Amino acid sequence: GESVGLHLPTLSVQEGDNSIINCAYSNSASDYFIWYKQESGKGPQFIIDIRSNMDKRQGQRVTVLLNKTVKHLSLQIAATQPGDSAVYFCAENIRNSGGSNYKLTFGKGTLLTVNP
Amino acid sequence: DTAVSQTPKYLVTQMGNDKSIKCEQNLGHDTMYWYKQDSKKFLKIMFSYNNKELIINETVPNRFSPKSPDKAHLNLHINSLELGDSAVYFCASSHGRNRGKNTEAFFGQGTRLTVV
Repeated sequence: GESVGLHLPTLSVQEGDNSIINCAYSNSASDYFIWYKQESGKGPQFIIDIRSNMDKRQGQRVTVLLNKTVKHLSLQIAATQPGDSAVYFCAENIRNSGGSNYKLTFGKGTLLTVNP
Repeated sequence: DTAVSQTPKYLVTQMGNDKSIKCEQNLGHDTMYWYKQDSKKFLKIMFSYNNKELIINETVPNRFSPKSPDKAHLNLHINSLELGDSAVYFCASSHGRNRGKNTEAFFGQGTRLTVV
């Protein structure tokens, strides 16, 4: 089965608030994680990534936190804007069984709605 | 300057027909993928190619046949289409493992396939 999942399928916030989207993963061997944003009618768009040798990484208005102890990943969006409304996916790179190939496995996604 | 482009964007066809979706990337990536996104937004990998070689096949029915004429193209041919094939299909590409580290995948805009 899939090893990446999300706690909250939907999240509604007020414009200007901070948003936190959570993700749990079960493959302790995963060494690379990505957050994607998917707007309606578009493909997933890369937001930020983090490698397993880090526990925090910051981008512009976004921060990803990685807790390997409890296999938890979160995406924090500061000062959320209406343009942030989208489905957010966490994804992990899992090594294919028996080989050196990796596949990007996605979680179920969280729909973020930003109210003006 | 589209990075990953796939055609067509929409495809409506009858059960039993054969159809193809084309994908091209101009990012110079070695690895290309096909993903299927169902009505619940769940993204699942179908195939992965590295330098024209199939490296991942996620137990997809034989009716689905990917073809990679060169590393910039990965087409998906589907025979004997069924109602359950209706979904959005995404092509993606990445550097794969670059200097021993995983890299993010870039996605196309998707092809919405509707089988009637």
